[in-house]
Amino acid sequence: EPEVTQTPSHQVTQMGQEVILRCVPISNHLYFYWYRQILGQKVEFLVSFYNNEISEKSEIFDDQFSVERPDGSNFTLKIRSTKLEDSAMYFCASSGVSVALHFGNGTRLTVT
Amino acid sequence: RKEVEQDPGPFNVPEGATVAFNCTYSNSASQSFFWYRQDCRKEPKLLMSVYSSGNEDGRFTAQLNRASQYISLLIRDSKLSDSATYLCVVEGAGNMLTFGGGTRLMVKP
Repeated sequence: EPEVTQTPSHQVTQMGQEVILRCVPISNHLYFYWYRQILGQKVEFLVSFYNNEISEKSEIFDDQFSVERPDGSNFTLKIRSTKLEDSAMYFCASSGVSVALHFGNGTRLTVT
Repeated sequence: RKEVEQDPGPFNVPEGATVAFNCTYSNSASQSFFWYRQDCRKEPKLLMSVYSSGNEDGRFTAQLNRASQYISLLIRDSKLSDSATYLCVVEGAGNMLTFGGGTRLMVKP
């Protein structure tokens, strides 16, 4: 079964540093998403991406965040200057014809 | 009213029991509904979509009540491996999928 893959599985960074989280969505999917989940809390929407542009974003997705699809397969989330409160699991997801999301196994970001 | 609301549980049930979870949602215009399962520190995995007419997949039955704006998940003959958090997911504004906080199920021998 096709999968969404994410790298790295765990990223530790110091406050103020830039991080890039990488995702390879399912190959025939057209819609891409980033969600995050702070430990013990619910899964929260960050951004959706379609046709090489952001289609929706939440209040969490401020100027410190950006997304990019640099080539035909990768989808990245960049956090420019990380804060302690950015520590969370970041999930990439993709969807095709159905709205149902297929998630990658996540990147655990720890900001120290 | 929260966008998607679930009883966090935990629901502690013995193996073989039948257990049901409900979820309420606030956006009456929502068109798509799902149940996801999440194991501890893992990604959410799609369990089933929820259709207006109700649908069944093996031991799992999902129902939608648009008038009262809730969806339900029934699990029959619970297995130890059903222990997880069950996430109610509703299409919100702008076609975004909004997650509930999840209901934790623990099935005991």
